[in-house]
Amino acid sequence: DVQLVESGGGLVQPGGSLRLSCAASGFRFSGYWMNWVRQVPGKGLEWVANIKEDGGEKYYVDSVKGRFTISRDNAKNSVYLQMNSLGADDTAVYHCARGGSIVAVVSIDWGQGTLVTVSS
Amino acid sequence: AIRMTQSPSSFSASTGDRVTITCRASQGISNYLAWYQQKPGKAPELLIYDASTLQPGVTSRFSGSGSGTDFALTISSLQSEDFGTYFCQQYYSYPFTFGPGTKVDIK
Repeated sequence: DVQLVESGGGLVQPGGSLRLSCAASGFRFSGYWMNWVRQVPGKGLEWVANIKEDGGEKYYVDSVKGRFTISRDNAKNSVYLQMNSLGADDTAVYHCARGGSIVAVVSIDWGQGTLVTVSS
Repeated sequence: AIRMTQSPSSFSASTGDRVTITCRASQGISNYLAWYQQKPGKAPELLIYDASTLQPGVTSRFSGSGSGTDFALTISSLQSEDFGTYFCQQYYSYPFTFGPGTKVDIK
């Protein structure tokens, strides 16, 4: 079974940094795009970033460009989201999601998410 | 960025009802549209991609239609387990964007 387990969330002060990790299992990790999607509890979904199978292409939503960096380590079956200069608007549950085999960028499988709270 | 809208924002329906949720894109997105279902406290689950292709393992009660700017998700006969919030997402161009969601309650 596909498993995606996020970690690294927590409480951080405005202007601070966090690094989220997503450990993947149950599929050939190096063969799939990976996405990060966030959700303010009780609100809608916002796609944040994604990364190609080999890490050669990365895309971001405008609101995080220059502050967040997505990366992956295919040897460790993990994808990461380095988040800098955090603000209150970044408070959300962050999900990692696997892309599809037919449509590479659609989020086929999702982790349960890790909560990031930005507050002083 | 492409803006996605959905209607209605919420509704209640009875089991057995045929229900339709609509999603509109602010510009043409061909058929690059996905639908997700999310239940409280759970991660979203993919139902449909490419506007009308059912994700394997998803019940055939769900169907999708549309192209260009106007799309629909139809549940042919609503069941109790279909409660939740439904989101559309375009992946025609970056940044990918979601609709605001449609909450479905069972009467």
